[in-house]
Amino acid sequence: EVQLVESGGGLVQPGGSLRLSCSASGFTFSSYAMHWVRQAPGKGLEYVSAISSNGGSTYYADSVKGRFTISRDNSKNTLYLQMSSLRAEDTAVYYCVKGGVVPAAMLGGLDYWGQGTLVTVSS
Amino acid sequence: DVVMTQSPLSLPVTLGQPASISCRSSQSLVHSDGNTYLNWFQQRPGQSPRRLIYKVSNRDSGVPDRFSGSGSGTDFTLKISRVEAEDVGVYYCMQGTHWPPLTFGGGTKVEIK
Repeated sequence: EVQLVESGGGLVQPGGSLRLSCSASGFTFSSYAMHWVRQAPGKGLEYVSAISSNGGSTYYADSVKGRFTISRDNSKNTLYLQMSSLRAEDTAVYYCVKGGVVPAAMLGGLDYWGQGTLVTVSS
Repeated sequence: DVVMTQSPLSLPVTLGQPASISCRSSQSLVHSDGNTYLNWFQQRPGQSPRRLIYKVSNRDSGVPDRFSGSGSGTDFTLKISRVEAEDVGVYYCMQGTHWPPLTFGGGTKVEIK
């Protein structure tokens, strides 16, 4: 059974930092691209970041570029999102999402989502 | 970026009646590999999104056959043949053809009349 379990969310002051983790199981983690998608309270889904299966390729939405860093440790089956210079508008539930495999690794997938972790940026 | 436009925003439906959600993209979603990377997701209240349909019309495992996806090019539709109480929630379309980025529609809220 595929499982994605996020952790690391919480309350942080504007300008602060937080690292989210996503522990994956039930599939060959190292073969799949992975994504982060967020959802502000009462709002729709916003694509945040993605990483290829070997970590060699990454993508960031303009809204987080230069502030967030996506990474993965395939030996630990874990995905990360390092967030810094946090702003009030980053407040959201952050979902870890399983991607696809080559050749359409980034285009497809999104077949499994974690339960999400809430990040609240407020003073 | 490709813009995904869903309609309607809200869809009140009588139990047992059909429902239809439209999704239009600002560009054709036909990829050079011949596939059309258009997915549909369901988000029930208080839950994470769940993929229902991938590549326009392929139902995910465990998805009831009352859900169906269709369309081509820039126009796509998710249909529920007979709405049940458990279908209440928000439905999103999403394109992957023109990654990066993946882009989502704004969502359609399905509720029971």
